[in-house]
Amino acid sequence: GAVVSQHPSWVICKSGTSVKIECRSLDFQATTMFWYRQFPKQSLMLMATSNEGSKATYEQGVEKDKFLINHASLTLSTLTVTSAHPEDSSFYICSAPRDRENSPLHFGNGTRLTVT
Amino acid sequence: GQNIDQPTEMTATEGAIVQINCTYQTSGFNGLFWYQQHAGEAPTFLSYNVLDGLEEKGRFSSFLSRSKGYSYLLLKELQMKDSASYLCAVLDSNYQLIWGAGTKLIIKP
Repeated sequence: GAVVSQHPSWVICKSGTSVKIECRSLDFQATTMFWYRQFPKQSLMLMATSNEGSKATYEQGVEKDKFLINHASLTLSTLTVTSAHPEDSSFYICSAPRDRENSPLHFGNGTRLTVT
Repeated sequence: GQNIDQPTEMTATEGAIVQINCTYQTSGFNGLFWYQQHAGEAPTFLSYNVLDGLEEKGRFSSFLSRSKGYSYLLLKELQMKDSASYLCAVLDSNYQLIWGAGTKLIIKP
């Protein structure tokens, strides 16, 4: 069964509004979670690393004021896309390693965001 | 820079065998992963190699040669449901995952 739950699966919002995406580890504690973005026919692009109890680490070129990440507990990380624009429309996927640094990543089912 | 190369697309016939190659140049190496991703879905884990050699898991096998910076994923007895993208990813010395662009595998009856 799924070990990482992501919600919502899809969302349509109007330009200028904010959208929150939740990522939960179901049967393990995740001190680190990763947020990816994927455009059609392209590979995963790491946006940021979410660290429980501390600030997220953002990849170069990712606006931290636009993509707010909160990792308030060992089982929950949230990504908020603020003031969304049509170019933010994408597939957003969270993931977490189960235990060790070289553990396989368990992915959430992804969130398809469409900004109109 | 860090780079992972894999073919963009491959086509194979149902019931056949296909090998998807992946070559990498990274800053250090802490293992190589293969993931399967169906269209519109998140990736799912297939295999992990950190030592040289072949790891077999049912119809899927993964091979690694660290000296050559090379891995392949071998799929046997292909089924239509194997049509998907296959992503190669390397864990570098900082335990950062470097992703390949993925290989889209098309299975024909």
